[in-house]
Amino acid sequence: GENVEQHPSTLSVQEGDSAVIKCTYSDSASNYFPWYKQELGKRPQLIIDIRSNVGEKKDQRIAVTLNKTAKHFSLHITETQPEDSAVYFCAARLDSGYSTLTFGKGTMLLVSP
Amino acid sequence: DTEVTQTPKHLVMGMTNKKSLKCEQHMGHRAMYWYKQKAKKPPELMFVYSYEKLSINESVPSRFSPECPNSSLLNLHLHALQPEDSALYLCASSQDSGPNQPQHFGDGTRLSIL
Repeated sequence: GENVEQHPSTLSVQEGDSAVIKCTYSDSASNYFPWYKQELGKRPQLIIDIRSNVGEKKDQRIAVTLNKTAKHFSLHITETQPEDSAVYFCAARLDSGYSTLTFGKGTMLLVSP
Repeated sequence: DTEVTQTPKHLVMGMTNKKSLKCEQHMGHRAMYWYKQKAKKPPELMFVYSYEKLSINESVPSRFSPECPNSSLLNLHLHALQPEDSALYLCASSQDSGPNQPQHFGDGTRLSIL
């Protein structure tokens, strides 16, 4: 089955800095890669996703890049703010009707004022 | 605001109790999911319903029994749970169960087993 590795497990940055979270996946047949943000005690919230026919996608301060050859994808947050503090999960899914999301273990991002 | 509504938000029950978790969405989604999430861990898939039919059961113990009465509702019936079943139970939905469909989560039910 699919295996998703996520790094780092914790990330501390100063407000205004950029943050990068990286994930690698094992199955080259994976073609859908969402990112979820989960604040303490809240639900996982889909913040951005990318499909394998696209190399990069941007939404305001958030961007995701995908390298299918190397089987890795990354989340980039620019101009970080304290409200960006949360746990971020990457996930991957195979191109199959009965496939399921495989999540990374999560990255706790702390943005200090 | 979440468009997937889960009730109750919190539930405390004994190991001999029977209770049910409820999930509702009105987005016209035809795939619904139950996940279990322990603290500081990613969500773990339990069940997938596609067009009101159970399509995936990730080897979940029979003390968890899912039910999909209609396309908007998803229940999880609980019976004889163990303390290790204490967790956040998340419901999610997507347009259908296709591989590229985004899944949207509800706020979850925080379950504590005494």
